[in-house]
Amino acid sequence: DGGITQSPKYLFRKEGQNVTLSCEQNLNHDAMYWYRQDPGQGLRLIYYSQIVNDFQKGDIAEGYSVSREKKESFPLTVTSAQKNPTAFYLCASKLDRWSTEAFFGQGTRLTVV
Amino acid sequence: AQTVTQSQPEMSVQEAETVTLSCTYDTSESDYYLFWYKQPPSRQMILVIRQEAYKQQNATENRFSVNFQKAAKSFSLKISDSQLGDAAMYFCAYRSASGGGADGLTFGKGTHLIIQP
Repeated sequence: DGGITQSPKYLFRKEGQNVTLSCEQNLNHDAMYWYRQDPGQGLRLIYYSQIVNDFQKGDIAEGYSVSREKKESFPLTVTSAQKNPTAFYLCASKLDRWSTEAFFGQGTRLTVV
Repeated sequence: AQTVTQSQPEMSVQEAETVTLSCTYDTSESDYYLFWYKQPPSRQMILVIRQEAYKQQNATENRFSVNFQKAAKSFSLKISDSQLGDAAMYFCAYRSASGGGADGLTFGKGTHLIIQP
C-alpha cells in the first residue's frame, strides 16, 4: 500500500532533550511538509522540502530542524530550544510543488514530561 | 501573508439535515486553491473538496458542495443529508497557485461539527 507513515504515534520527551519524529512516504513524491497542531488551532507549517537535499523554513521553524537526504524520508527534530513542544505533529507530501492535493500521515503526539 | 478565518468554533446539526460551515480568507493573489479538510477522531486529515479560484463553478463531491464567492473572499462548505460519520473537525485551507516560494497550506482554526442522532 502506498502512503505516508509517521512514527511513533505517541512520544514522550523529558525537558532539555532532543527528539526526532519520523516521516516516510512511498508515493515517490518530491514535496514534503511538517505541520504542528495545537488545541483550538489550525495546522501551522514548520518546515517544507520541495525536492531532495533542499528544505525551507515555514512559519514556525524556531526550535526545529529537518533533513532531506532521501526522497522518501523527511525527519523532524524537536530541539531543546523549542519552548513549548507538546503538540500533535503531522507530515504531508505532494507529487511536487505545483500539485494541489496533499496526502497526510496519521500524526505523532509529542508530550514533554 | 494569507489568512484563513473560520468563525464557527462548533456547529451542531440533526442527522439527515443540512449544515453550512463558513470560511473567509484574505489574500492579494488572484490565483489560488481552496480546500476543506476533515479530521475525524483518528486525527487523519482527509481532503473533502477542492476549489480552483479561476473556476466560477462551485465544486461538488456527492453530499458536499461549496459556495465560492471570490469577490467576497468567502468559501463555505455545505453538507447535505448529514450522517453520523460526518462528525469531525473541519478545516478550511488556502494555497497559492504561484508554484514558487512556500507552497504549504494555510489553515483556519477549524469548526467542530457535531451530528445529533
